[in-house]
Amino acid sequence: DSGVTQTPKHLITATGQRVTLRCSPRSGDLSVYWYQQSLDQGLQFLIQYYNGEERAKGNILERFSAQQFPDLHSELNLSSLELGDSALYFCASSVGRGSNQPQHFGDGTRLSIL
Amino acid sequence: DQQVKQNSPSLSVQEGRISILNCDYTNSMFDYFLWYKKYPAEGPTFLISISSIKDKNEDGRFTVFLNKSAKHLSLHIVPSQPGDSAVYFCAARPFQGGSEKLVFGKGTKLTVNP
Repeated sequence: DSGVTQTPKHLITATGQRVTLRCSPRSGDLSVYWYQQSLDQGLQFLIQYYNGEERAKGNILERFSAQQFPDLHSELNLSSLELGDSALYFCASSVGRGSNQPQHFGDGTRLSIL
Repeated sequence: DQQVKQNSPSLSVQEGRISILNCDYTNSMFDYFLWYKKYPAEGPTFLISISSIKDKNEDGRFTVFLNKSAKHLSLHIVPSQPGDSAVYFCAARPFQGGSEKLVFGKGTKLTVNP
């Protein structure tokens, strides 16, 4: 158990819809990261938050947004969903103070767009 | 532009023998490297890491080697056990002040046969 909790485990929805994925980081971790894993691809970095503020952005689509709340949990919002958005979405957390500390991952949310 | 490459999609090894997983990278700004193991329906689990100032790091049966001049990273597992069968991801962190995002390879599926 990594200590990172993601909900829901599975989401099935239709094109054009909007969904919210939730992540609770490990106790004591201030940084939260979101990654997308599409079929046969490695994990692609989307966005990082540190203590409530956006720290870094990857190739995140404009239809996607995220935030980190005062209790440090994070949400990833995906809107105007397209078939190509079907993927595994992972959240990770770390201490996030620039030290060489690994990121710890949740078990992911599998998003299926019909 | 794939900055982290794992050129072997799969590797099969006999129990008790050594498993060697390889990873090549192109970005000389990477300063921290990690290996993750992933079982189906679970998130990536951190295995071992190495800073760019070192060339070797050991943790039990796992050793990571870094050859900066060749931009090459390898993970040695000795002795291999059937429970090591999983997908292994190599990841690297570019030195960018304030961000700890990771760049992942596409993974190598290791099968350890009894």
